[in-house]
Amino acid sequence: GQNIDQPTEMTATEGAIVQINCTYQTSGFNGLFWYQQHAGEAPTFLSYNVLDGLEEKGRFSSFLSRSKGYSYLLLKELQMKDSASYLCAVTAGANNLFFGTGTRLTVIP
Amino acid sequence: SQTIHQWPATLVQPVGSPLSLECTVEGTSNPNLYWYRQAAGRGLQLLFYSVGIGQISSEVPQNLSASRPQDRQFILSSKKLLLSDSGFYLCASPWTANTEAFFGQGTRLTVV
Repeated sequence: GQNIDQPTEMTATEGAIVQINCTYQTSGFNGLFWYQQHAGEAPTFLSYNVLDGLEEKGRFSSFLSRSKGYSYLLLKELQMKDSASYLCAVTAGANNLFFGTGTRLTVIP
Repeated sequence: SQTIHQWPATLVQPVGSPLSLECTVEGTSNPNLYWYRQAAGRGLQLLFYSVGIGQISSEVPQNLSASRPQDRQFILSSKKLLLSDSGFYLCASPWTANTEAFFGQGTRLTVV
């Protein structure tokens, strides 16, 4: 089985930095995705971590520690358009892709 | 690159009516295909996945079924919808160790 935990909601100020954490317990772990989802839309890909460490992509960075079953998504220089749900998803085995419940981020002026 | 077509975008159906949602994939062959459901304010729940024609695995017991009649076609069905079947349904494919999953645009199903 698998267990993926994320905070339900977070609020941050425009221009600030926010870190969204994800912890997981799963057998056959391969890698971890982060997706962004605006209300009523399909998720869009942000990052994929397989190895330990930090991956940076512009304002977004993602970190993975396989030994701790822990990942975070770091968003810098927050913009109002970053208000969305952020989904952590783990891949396990050959065919499985499991999502957490998502973190709803609200960016305020 | 691949594209996933999913329709309809929105659907309102009465309780007890049948359901058929279709997903087709372009730009790849023999993909793994997934159906997810997302209840309001919740995460994505994996319903079914298929690794090939006629091969369906169900993750959770439910009122729904899936079929894979062709390599690039994945269908989600129900004989009699329940109120609890309301949600946002997403078709996804493929996922490999090196690429992200691609999603269709989703179907918003409201059972009334």
